[in-house]
Amino acid sequence: QKEVEQNSGPLSVPEGAIASLNCTYSDRVSQSFFWYRQYSGKSPELIMSIYSNGDKEDGRFTAQLNKASQYVSLLIRDSQPSDSATYLCASQDDKIIFGKGTRLHILP
Amino acid sequence: NAGVTQTPKFRILKIGQSMTLQCTQDMNHNYMYWYRQDPGMGLKLIYYSVGAGITDKGEVPNGYNVSRSTTEDFPLRLELAAPSQTSVYFCASSYLGSPSSTDTQYFGPGTRLTVL
Repeated sequence: QKEVEQNSGPLSVPEGAIASLNCTYSDRVSQSFFWYRQYSGKSPELIMSIYSNGDKEDGRFTAQLNKASQYVSLLIRDSQPSDSATYLCASQDDKIIFGKGTRLHILP
Repeated sequence: NAGVTQTPKFRILKIGQSMTLQCTQDMNHNYMYWYRQDPGMGLKLIYYSVGAGITDKGEVPNGYNVSRSTTEDFPLRLELAAPSQTSVYFCASSYLGSPSSTDTQYFGPGTRLTVL
């Protein structure tokens, strides 16, 4: 059974600090990894994708991938109250498998 | 462009009833997906389609059926509704099969279904 594991949270981070979200996956052949943001009662939206080991930066977001450790993370710099949401990690081989999500709460 | 639209937004069914959840996209995307999301959980893939006339099972297909007669539409059919099918259902579409920085997966607003 392919799985993506995330801490459900909530993760509370002061405004302006760095939020660090982590995810592990069980399927070693997964090639693609994604972070989605989902506001309460809304549909998910893709915010980052990463395919190779290392870091990928996009604005305030940095995705990190370590295939040897089967570990993916998302860093959010200068956290804003608008970043408060659930963040879903997903891996893909032939199909996309989602984790349960981590609830992030940015404290004003 | 309206993107991905889903109807209805909300529905309450009695056990044993049937219904069809509608999904339409106007972006000429090849790939379409149906997910369900239970409270506090991630998304689970029910069925997906790589193009008109082609569908395949996802992670949790039991109790559901789909069809894809056109590029735009991908309805999800529930036969003999059960309380375990109470969930929020999301339809999504993408041009390619793998979301990327150049091809994202677009989600509809969801259908909240309760089976009593």
